[in-house]
Amino acid sequence: DTAVSQTPKYLVTQMGNDKSIKCEQNLGHDTMYWYKQDSKKFLKIMFSYNNKELIINETVPNRFSPKSPDKAHLNLHINSLELGDSAVYFCASSSRGNEKLFFGSGTQLSVL
Amino acid sequence: AQSVTQPDIHITVSEGASLELRCNYSYGATPYLFWYVQSPGQGLQLLLKYFSGDTLVQGIKGFEAEFKRSQSSFNLRKPSVHWSDAAEYFCAVSGNQFYFGTGTSLTVIP
Repeated sequence: DTAVSQTPKYLVTQMGNDKSIKCEQNLGHDTMYWYKQDSKKFLKIMFSYNNKELIINETVPNRFSPKSPDKAHLNLHINSLELGDSAVYFCASSSRGNEKLFFGSGTQLSVL
Repeated sequence: AQSVTQPDIHITVSEGASLELRCNYSYGATPYLFWYVQSPGQGLQLLLKYFSGDTLVQGIKGFEAEFKRSQSSFNLRKPSVHWSDAAEYFCAVSGNQFYFGTGTSLTVIP
């Protein structure tokens, strides 16, 4: 069973469109994250949720809106997509005390 | 402020040679330290972690890392590299959140 699963794996879309990426974890973790990895492989945290509550919101355009319907899910909705949004987006979850971070396999977003 | 520095952007080694990837961190307390590996098109997989105790930690795939508090370092080592080790390697420190280094890309030549 996949511990952290995110869909879709690839997302190709036009500028100005709205898209969503879904993430689910079956590890029973309370904390979930979204990271953005740019073309230089730099990993930047975007959001962190603990038990459905937003606890980290880094400097991210408000076109990006996370939604956590329950502690096992953290979806990412992106409005009015721009060329610069092209990147790989990773969902992750962590155990209590941040003892380990588990990653999904990533969503490659290409904005044309 | 917490931060992680990986000074080597790219390293090339021959298959069978030894490997050391450098990591320096800045953290106010005793850190939780991690090394992750990312193969092309994949997510990040945990190689090993240090919380406390023995400063030499063993991980998967034959990797080990040594925590040196005096040098604020947590370097990753492997005695003999295999072609399948070619990947991106990330050092991370955990506090109220995880902080990642910029990664080191490893190329293995036959």
